[in-house]
Amino acid sequence: GAGVSQSPRYKVAKRGQDVALRCDPISGHVSLFWYQQALGQGPEFLTYFQNEAQLDKSGLPSDRFFAERPEGSVSTLKIQRTQQEDSAVYLCASSLGAGPYGYTFGSGTRLTVV
Amino acid sequence: DAKTTQPNSMESNEEEPVHLPCNHSTISGTDYIHWYRQLPSQGPEYVIHGLTSNVNNRMASLAIAEDRKSSTLILHRATLRDAAVYYCILRDVRETSGSRLTFGEGTQLTVNP
Repeated sequence: GAGVSQSPRYKVAKRGQDVALRCDPISGHVSLFWYQQALGQGPEFLTYFQNEAQLDKSGLPSDRFFAERPEGSVSTLKIQRTQQEDSAVYLCASSLGAGPYGYTFGSGTRLTVV
Repeated sequence: DAKTTQPNSMESNEEEPVHLPCNHSTISGTDYIHWYRQLPSQGPEYVIHGLTSNVNNRMASLAIAEDRKSSTLILHRATLRDAAVYYCILRDVRETSGSRLTFGEGTQLTVNP
């Protein structure tokens, strides 16, 4: 597609529930990133893939967060046993590669944990 | 990551030029200067980036100081659709961790009709 697509757009989860957030990057984009954005804050880095390899996961806040990109295209961010502090917008971005390319962001998934 | 400093907010009038400043006194020789903006309820949008020379594209211009310790994003004629949070970000692309973008607080631009 023309842009980065994320689904669902909104997700309400009960505390303790597992959720899976999907990202469809731009076709041919090698690099894929996940960010978390709390209300009123700038996005914060979670993890980075180059093709199917997860090269940096230093931003994942706990072992309840897991991301994968098995075939080097679509990526899924999974959060297990959601907590209220996980409520945020989760943004996915892709770029052509590791060079000084601009990123294209999706519109995000707004997760609300109740 | 090298840090940037931006004003929290700025105001402009429609159809007037806007100059958004950014200080990055600890910039290294391999840091690119990137600008993104984020409209309400949307993901950030790439605006422009540069290394040493001034850059122009259809959205904006980027003026980089000779010592590279500061830069200015220039919107030549602000429209109401330019109201957004503007982020100035340094990115060292030599290293794997440098591929990430580290967002600060950004500048909230208000455009008055």
